[in-house]
Amino acid sequence: GNSVTQMEGPVTLSEEAFLTINCTYTATGYPSLFWYVQYPGEGLQLLLKATKADDKGSNKGFEATYRKETTSFHLEKGSVQVSDSAVYFCALSPGRGGKLIFGQGTELSVKP
Amino acid sequence: EAGVAQSPRYKIIEKRQSVAFWCNPISGHATLYWYQQILGQGPKLLIQFQNNGVVDDSQLPKDRFSAERLKGVDSTLKIQPAKLEDSAVYLCASSTIRTGGSYEQYFGPGTRLTVT
Repeated sequence: GNSVTQMEGPVTLSEEAFLTINCTYTATGYPSLFWYVQYPGEGLQLLLKATKADDKGSNKGFEATYRKETTSFHLEKGSVQVSDSAVYFCALSPGRGGKLIFGQGTELSVKP
Repeated sequence: EAGVAQSPRYKIIEKRQSVAFWCNPISGHATLYWYQQILGQGPKLLIQFQNNGVVDDSQLPKDRFSAERLKGVDSTLKIQPAKLEDSAVYLCASSTIRTGGSYEQYFGPGTRLTVT
């Protein structure tokens, strides 16, 4: 079946540190991959996406590359800010326009 | 454009009571989703509508949960009777196919349900 596994949190970093949040997936076929972010008190927002192997999604300094050979979609940012503190969810969609299957989420806390 | 609207934002009920949640998707979005997010977990799809037809309800506990989208616009999710394990945030999302075939799901703020 389809599933997503994320590294467990919480992750605590100092401002300007490098961020990696690991995400691996299991899927049949060729899913699309997503990172969603949930800021405190707000709803889920799409952060970035990739729809095929070797695609790189990027937004707000965050990047993730769709690696089919390792079934991974790790989220990275070179220099985090306090405002990046949130819960990050990796997700896949098995088909176009279809449901999202989420990982359990990783809480990030950035200290000044 | 206005986002996905949900109401109420919070609800507290006792077990065995019934509850209903309402969602109004972004105008023109044909696809509507209801997800359940239990504390500490990622959202899990309960039901997906395409216009007013059900596409996927395989994870909807049909003995107690029901959902409808009668005119292909807004939707209602109902729980009757509620159990303690139904305590969660219920998220509504909508999507449309964009030029080029890409799509994106837009989420509402959610309804936090507490069953005591």
